[in-house]
Amino acid sequence: GNSVTQMEGPVTLSEEAFLTINCTYTATGYPSLFWYVQYPGEGLQLLLKATKADDKGSNKGFEATYRKETTSFHLEKGSVQVSDSAVYFCALNYGGATNKLIFGTGTLLAVQP
Amino acid sequence: EADIYQTPRYLVIGTGKKITLECSQTMGHDKMYWYQQDPGMELHLIHYSYGVNSTEKGDLSSESTVSRIRTEHFPLTLESARPSHTSQYLCASSDPGGESNYGYTFGSGTRLTVV
Repeated sequence: GNSVTQMEGPVTLSEEAFLTINCTYTATGYPSLFWYVQYPGEGLQLLLKATKADDKGSNKGFEATYRKETTSFHLEKGSVQVSDSAVYFCALNYGGATNKLIFGTGTLLAVQP
Repeated sequence: EADIYQTPRYLVIGTGKKITLECSQTMGHDKMYWYQQDPGMELHLIHYSYGVNSTEKGDLSSESTVSRIRTEHFPLTLESARPSHTSQYLCASSDPGGESNYGYTFGSGTRLTVV
């Protein structure tokens, strides 16, 4: 079946460090891929998305590239800030009648000053 | 800016009480969803709806029930709350084919504590 696997956290970084959160997926066909972010005490917000192979999603300094050959959608940021501390969820979706999002288990990022 | 609203944000209630968690969206989305989020952060789909008068159970069995009488409103009800229902409940909606490209818009969540 379709699934998403994220690197386990927590990930602890110092401010201005480089961030990578790995995400791989198992799916047939060509799903859309997403990264959502959840700040403490809040719901999820869409961070970025990519809808086809080789697309790069970007937002707020974060980037992720849809790699079909490696079935990956790793999240990267060149220089993290304390305000980036949150839980990050990778997800895939085929749309269609159900339009169900399949989420990874989430990765907690803690950025220390 | 969020166009999907959940109330209350926080609720502490005694065992055996009936509760309804409210979720409303102003985007005209047909599809709506309820997720339960455990302390380990993982999201579990417990209910979804394709549109008015359509509701389905999700991937995780839940004692809660939902209704969809109006497009914009998707409330979740627990007839008799128990401590095992303590969790964060997240509501979402989606508009396939729109700008969201099949993504969801989430509410801010309701954190429920049953004592």
